[in-house]
Amino acid sequence: NAGVTQTPKFQVLKTGQSMTLQCAQDMNHEYMSWYRQDPGMGLRLIHYSVGAGITDQGEVPNGYNVSRSTTEDFPLRLLSAAPSQTSVYFCAVRRLAGGTEQYFGPGTRLTVT
Amino acid sequence: KQEVTQIPAALSVPEGENLVLNCSFTDSAIYNLQWFRQDPGKGLTSLLLIQSSQREQTSGRLNASLDKSSGRSTLYIAASQPGDSATYLCAVIYGNNRLAFGKGNQVVVIP
Repeated sequence: NAGVTQTPKFQVLKTGQSMTLQCAQDMNHEYMSWYRQDPGMGLRLIHYSVGAGITDQGEVPNGYNVSRSTTEDFPLRLLSAAPSQTSVYFCAVRRLAGGTEQYFGPGTRLTVT
Repeated sequence: KQEVTQIPAALSVPEGENLVLNCSFTDSAIYNLQWFRQDPGKGLTSLLLIQSSQREQTSGRLNASLDKSSGRSTLYIAASQPGDSATYLCAVIYGNNRLAFGKGNQVVVIP
């Protein structure tokens, strides 16, 4: 079992470019989410999904889009990258029931110049 | 809004000492609390999960307690080793499946 995988590991973008960060899981967990981690700010929730076809905004959704067409995949799209989106992005999954453990992917380090 | 605070933000201890890391949260209506470890440039590794109905959870040298009524959790690491140097994060699941993180305790164990 791979658990939670993220691609790419590193990415450099120019301002205004678009890209998609990939997140995939083989744990069959319903809940998937995206966080960004910035120095001094901790981890902040961008978007989350409780199942295929259902997504919702987190704490810092502006500039990001998500969709969830399958249980396994939850891509995060940056439509027009900005330097403020330079960060480390983590995908996390867990079962939907409230008391369950959360599992994180290895992260994608994104730099926008 | 749930706010999670971790104190101290950073600490150094000599090898062999016990580590005590504190986490507090403002809304006691949580489903569970999870402690993570993060090494520099790496992802988060789950250490312990405490359900809201539990008072503590143990794994090897790690013990985490939870006092929901006072909004506190403490992570104890016995007989610290240099390999314990990392950032430790606590997070609570609350409300509508929301997860709130603290900013972490950055630990250095000095050989």
